[in-house]
Amino acid sequence: DQQVKQNSPSLSVQEGRISILNCDYTNSMFDYFLWYKKYPAEGPTFLISISSIKDKNEDGRFTVFLNKSAKHLSLHIVPSQPGDSAVYFCAADTTMGNQFYFGTGTSLTVIP
Amino acid sequence: EPEVTQTPSHQVTQMGQEVILRCVPISNHLYFYWYRQILGQKVEFLVSFYNNEISEKSEIFDDQFSVERPDGSNFTLKIRSTKLEDSAMYFCASSERPRYASTFRTDTQYFGPGTRLTVL
Repeated sequence: DQQVKQNSPSLSVQEGRISILNCDYTNSMFDYFLWYKKYPAEGPTFLISISSIKDKNEDGRFTVFLNKSAKHLSLHIVPSQPGDSAVYFCAADTTMGNQFYFGTGTSLTVIP
Repeated sequence: EPEVTQTPSHQVTQMGQEVILRCVPISNHLYFYWYRQILGQKVEFLVSFYNNEISEKSEIFDDQFSVERPDGSNFTLKIRSTKLEDSAMYFCASSERPRYASTFRTDTQYFGPGTRLTVL
């Protein structure tokens, strides 16, 4: 039961350009969304989150957009840097829940 | 910066054997979690734990699994009789509070580096 989907397993972007990672979800009860970044041999690291009461949240080079009607969120990284190369996981949660539902991840490669 | 630690980094075991995976959550955190990631698949929730009892568990977390906080610092996941399909990376996470009881910043789950379990 894939409630959170990341349909692009990989993405390559030139350094300095924008990286856009996409995530779709099916459960309309989800109201909290997060992006985690994962380097090889490390655990997922929290990057940015957004509540369903917002449609945008920005933190430095990272911006997350939420389109509730489309059940879609995206992570924008501007400008992309080689150190951003990692696997990015989208995760979602419900109001009373205490677990995160993860997508399968998108491997981002930023080319110098 | 405080971090979640896990030991061992890699555990190899024979099918049918018991394994215990260990985690040391961030010290002021009260909520603890185990997730796993089978190679090439998504990160899957196993169990959450608060106040010395399980808060939520997934269908994966059957009778072969158990969790314990044996002392003030460790949080363990035990698999009683391992199966081949238990081979995965197991991640421990902790958070200060559950999300619904706090501002968003304090409920973020912080993950450990993982233990790679290989069942032969």
